[in-house]
Amino acid sequence: QKEVEQNSGPLSVPEGAIASLNCTYSDRGSQSFFWYRQYSGKSPELIMFIYSNGDKEDGRFTAQLNKASQYVSLLIRDSQPSDSATYLCAVNPFGNEKLTFGTGTRLTIIP
Amino acid sequence: DTAVSQTPKYLVTQMGNDKSIKCEQNLGHDTMYWYKQDSKKFLKIMFSYNNKELIINETVPNRFSPKSPDKAHLNLHINSLELGDSAVYFCASSQVAWPYEQYFGPGTRLTVT
Repeated sequence: QKEVEQNSGPLSVPEGAIASLNCTYSDRGSQSFFWYRQYSGKSPELIMFIYSNGDKEDGRFTAQLNKASQYVSLLIRDSQPSDSATYLCAVNPFGNEKLTFGTGTRLTIIP
Repeated sequence: DTAVSQTPKYLVTQMGNDKSIKCEQNLGHDTMYWYKQDSKKFLKIMFSYNNKELIINETVPNRFSPKSPDKAHLNLHINSLELGDSAVYFCASSQVAWPYEQYFGPGTRLTVT
């Protein structure tokens, strides 16, 4: 079982709709969870992180964490074509600096 | 100002050569990292340095050697390059304290022919 799993997509969402990206992780001791956005040919860009169960909102982005289900998600409201990118989920399984990344979900927003 | 910078952006070289990639961060972070992103876009950590000391060393061939002259710089030297080393290499940095939010450099695309 992979440590961090994401559906590779592509996920196509109409402009203005909500895009929902999901990630599961295997280590129950994981303490913090990160979402990165990576445009083609560019570097990963940190969107937000979450460490408590529940929702965390930042602008159009909401991260959701359910530690019991070992599940973290990212919702993007009012999706824009500029949101088209690969979204990487990263987990901090040991409480130290090491991040384990998923393989990413490619999101396409359709105008 | 660029927070994490890398040079060069592109590197094309032949098998067997030795090459270096440089990384600098001006965020005042104590921890720096090297990641490799392969053709399938999987991002995997290679090394981590905390204030010039190696703290994470994943299963990486010893042809790869990181060097940290000071806490703002972490260079990657690769000996005897192989075809399989072709990838994008990202440098990143973070504060030493949890939750260790990591910020990435622009990447170096290495092509070994």
